[in-house]
Amino acid sequence: QSVLTQPPSVSAAPGQRVTISCSGSSSNIGKNYVSWYQQFPGTGPKLLIYENDGRPSGIPDRFSGSKSGTSATLGITGLQTGDEADYYCGTWDSSLSAWVFGGGTKLTVL
Amino acid sequence: EVQLLESGGGLVQPGGSLRVSCVASGFTFGSYAMSWVRQTPGKGLEWVSLISAGTIRTYYADSVKGRFTISRDNSMNTVYLQMNSLRAEDTAVYYCTKKKGDAFDMWGQGTKVTVSS
Repeated sequence: QSVLTQPPSVSAAPGQRVTISCSGSSSNIGKNYVSWYQQFPGTGPKLLIYENDGRPSGIPDRFSGSKSGTSATLGITGLQTGDEADYYCGTWDSSLSAWVFGGGTKLTVL
Repeated sequence: EVQLLESGGGLVQPGGSLRVSCVASGFTFGSYAMSWVRQTPGKGLEWVSLISAGTIRTYYADSVKGRFTISRDNSMNTVYLQMNSLRAEDTAVYYCTKKKGDAFDMWGQGTKVTVSS
C-alpha cells in the first residue's frame, strides 16, 4: 500500500479536462514539494510537474499542478489520445526519510 | 544529449548478489543527487535509494536497508547499486534517476532484475 493515495484510474473524452488527485499527510505533501510523472508502457517515467506547479521545458501548458494542505492535483486539459498513460505523484517524506510515490493512476481517453 | 544508461541486470538466485550501474552523460554528474527507483511488472514505482551530490549521504527504503548499497564514482559519471541477499520480491525493473531540486528530472530506460531459482 502506497504512502500517497491516487485513484487507480480516471477517464474522459478527447478535448475534455481531467484531474488526478494525490493524497498524503503532514510529513510528506504537507511539508514538501510534489512532483508528477508520466509513464507509457515499456518506458521510463518522465517528469511532468515539479515543485507542485512548475512545468519543465517542453511540457505543454495543458498540464498543470497544484497543492493544498496534504493533497495535490494534476490537471490535464484538451485531452488527447496520446495522453493515455500512467501518472504518478511523488514527494519526500520527512518522517520516513524516504522518497514516496503514489500507486499510480491509469488515464484512459475514451 | 542528457542520458542515463543502466546496465547489469539479469537473473540471480535468491540469496545472491548483483550490481547494477548507471552511466550519465550530458550534464555535470557530480553536481546532482542520484537515485534508484524500481517497478515490479504491472505495479507502481517504488523508490529504493538516493545518494547526495556533495558530502556523501545515502538513504534507503526500509525494504532494502541493510541489503543494498548505493555508491557513485564522479570521475566515471557512474552510480551503482550493489544488491545483496536478494529476494524474489526484489524482482523489478530498476531505473536510474537524476534529482534536480525536489524532483527526478531524468530517468533511464531501466535494467531488469529477476530473482528466481
